[in-house]
Amino acid sequence: DAMVIQNPRYQVTQFGKPVTLSCSQTLNHNVMYWYQQKSSQAPKLLFHYYDKDFNNEADTPDNFQSRRPNTSFCFLDIRSPGLGDAAMYLCATSRDTAGEGYEQYFGPGTRLTVT
Amino acid sequence: GQSLEQPSEVTAVEGAIVQINCTYQTSGFYGLSWYQQHDGGAPTFLSYNALDGLEETGRFSSFLSRSDSYGYLLLQELQMKDSASYFCAVRDKTGFQKLVFGTGTRLLVSP
Repeated sequence: DAMVIQNPRYQVTQFGKPVTLSCSQTLNHNVMYWYQQKSSQAPKLLFHYYDKDFNNEADTPDNFQSRRPNTSFCFLDIRSPGLGDAAMYLCATSRDTAGEGYEQYFGPGTRLTVT
Repeated sequence: GQSLEQPSEVTAVEGAIVQINCTYQTSGFYGLSWYQQHDGGAPTFLSYNALDGLEETGRFSSFLSRSDSYGYLLLQELQMKDSASYFCAVRDKTGFQKLVFGTGTRLLVSP
């Protein structure tokens, strides 16, 4: 089945130690997104790629970076994680066509713990 | 900017009907979506209203009224597995395909 895969599902890192979360998709969608979701809150968009074009949200801290080496893969790098960065990180994809692009497909998420 | 408000929690019993409201203030959007998220799980798409009116998908229906800045998700014949968080979301016209989520409603279904 076509899907969005995130690895690892659970990640523990130390305060200030860089960490990378990965996402892959078999849907061949143009657009990939990274969201941060904290407990009992809505997902918050960090950035998205439309093909290779990177689009950062204005309030995304510089501590968060992303890479998309090809259509299928996208990475989230947290350069110096703080305790406040502990959250669920969700990767999502969508098509780019106006008629079909309204649905986003989410991966299962990576739960990040910062010690 | 976009702002979507939902009740924080709704409770109901199995077999009942429940309506989850979404009121919004936006500068323009393409359509209103609804997503379901079980605890520890990923959001999954439920429905989309591009136009005003009612969209029905099995036990779930969604409604949009742009003139009233209001939408809702209607869940019928509630089942225990419907206990989850529900988010409305709009596709922002100012950002390409950017989804702006509502505050979320936690639905608790009891026997």
